[in-house]
Amino acid sequence: AQTVTQSQPEMSVQEAETVTLSCTYDTSENNYYLFWYKQPPSRQMILVIRQEAYKQQNATENRFSVNFQKAAKSFSLKISDSQLGDTAMYFCAFMNIQGAQKLVFGQGTRLTINP
Amino acid sequence: NAGVTQTPKFRVLKTGQSMTLLCAQDMNHEYMYWYRQDPGMGLRLIHYSVGEGTTAKGEVPDGYNVSRLKKQNFLLGLESAAPSQTSVYFCASRRPGLYGYTFGSGTRLTVV
Repeated sequence: AQTVTQSQPEMSVQEAETVTLSCTYDTSENNYYLFWYKQPPSRQMILVIRQEAYKQQNATENRFSVNFQKAAKSFSLKISDSQLGDTAMYFCAFMNIQGAQKLVFGQGTRLTINP
Repeated sequence: NAGVTQTPKFRVLKTGQSMTLLCAQDMNHEYMYWYRQDPGMGLRLIHYSVGEGTTAKGEVPDGYNVSRLKKQNFLLGLESAAPSQTSVYFCASRRPGLYGYTFGSGTRLTVV
C-alpha cells in the first residue's frame, strides 16, 4: 500500500517570502501521479499542481513549483512571492494510474502567511 | 454546472442514531469516492465506486455502508453513529483515465 508523509504540521512565513513544503511517499509502483491540494478555511479542496511520475521535468504553475525526486520518493512544493491568500492547509497526495485511481493523502501542512 | 453536491452541509447526531449523507454529481463521472478528514490525519478513503451498482472498501470502512444505485448518486450511511465518526466528510468524483478529481464542499458531522 502507498503511504504519503508530510513532516511539517505547521509553517509560517512573511508575505513575499518563499516557502517550501515537504512531502515523501512510499510506493512500489512505477506509473503514478502526485498532487498538491490547497484547502482554505472555506474547506474547498483546490488542486494546486500535478506531476506525472514519468516526466522528469518539474511541474510549474505560476508561483507554485515542485521539486520531484523520483528515486528519493520526494515531492516538495515551493511557493514563491507568498501572498496572504496562500494561507491554507496543503495536502500532498499520491494516485496510482492503475485500478480505481484512489487518492492517498498526507497528513497536511498548515501554512500561515503573515503580513 | 453544479459539479459535486453534498447534503447536508452540517449535522449533529446523538450516539446510536443513523443518517445518510448524499453525494450527487452531474458530470456523468464513473468513479465516486467518500473520504473523511480528521485533524492531523489528512483525508482517508472510506468507500469508493467504479460504476453504477458497484462499491468497494477503502482504508477506513468500518461503521459505514454505501450504495450506488444510480450513476449520479453515491450515498454514505451510518447505521449507529459513534463519537469516533465525528469528522468532515468529502465526496469526490472523476472520469477513469488521466483526469482530475472534483470534490464536494464537505459535510461536517458531529456525534455527541
